[in-house]
Amino acid sequence: GDSVTQMEGPVTLSEEAFLTINCTYTATGYPSLFWYVQYPGEGLQLLLKATKADDKGSNKGFEATYRKETTSFHLEKGSVQVSDSAVYFCALLTKGGGADGLTFGKGTHLIIQP
Amino acid sequence: DSGVTQTPKHLITATGQRVTLRCSPRSGDLSVYWYQQSLDQGLQFLIQYYNGEERAKGNILERFSAQQFPDLHSELNLSSLELGDSALYFCASSQTGIAYEQYFGPGTRLTVT
Repeated sequence: GDSVTQMEGPVTLSEEAFLTINCTYTATGYPSLFWYVQYPGEGLQLLLKATKADDKGSNKGFEATYRKETTSFHLEKGSVQVSDSAVYFCALLTKGGGADGLTFGKGTHLIIQP
Repeated sequence: DSGVTQTPKHLITATGQRVTLRCSPRSGDLSVYWYQQSLDQGLQFLIQYYNGEERAKGNILERFSAQQFPDLHSELNLSSLELGDSALYFCASSQTGIAYEQYFGPGTRLTVT
């Protein structure tokens, strides 16, 4: 079945550091890919998405590129802030055939220190 | 604020009991999804309803059931509760049955003692 693998944290960085959170996937067909963020005590918020190969999703300084050849969707940000501290989930959605729910990775807890 | 509401925020109950979780989707959204978040299993898709009808099933136990009412709100019923059912239960909604953008509620934390 479909699956998402992402680096497990916690990942601790200093403010203004460069961020990469790795995400790879296994899926039948051609999935859409997503990054969601969960702040403490809150639900998940869609951060960015890409629906086909080579698409780049971006939002709030975060970027991720859909790489079909490496089945990856790594999240990057050039300069992180303390307010970026949260749990980040990579997810996929397989079009057609079967469940339309998102398949999530385990989540990466990001801690940014001032 | 995503516009998706869930009640109650917290629920504590005993093993063997039955509970009902409620979700109101964003205005105009026809699809409702239920997810379970636990330390063991992570975030798992349970079930989807679209305009009142069940559309997709994920890893939902037979002890769990859901429905979506004519006003589009949804309820998740959990019965014969076990300790392992303790988790955060999220509801999400989307405008159509094609779930490229799902908006999540704040969740209901269920504790089974």
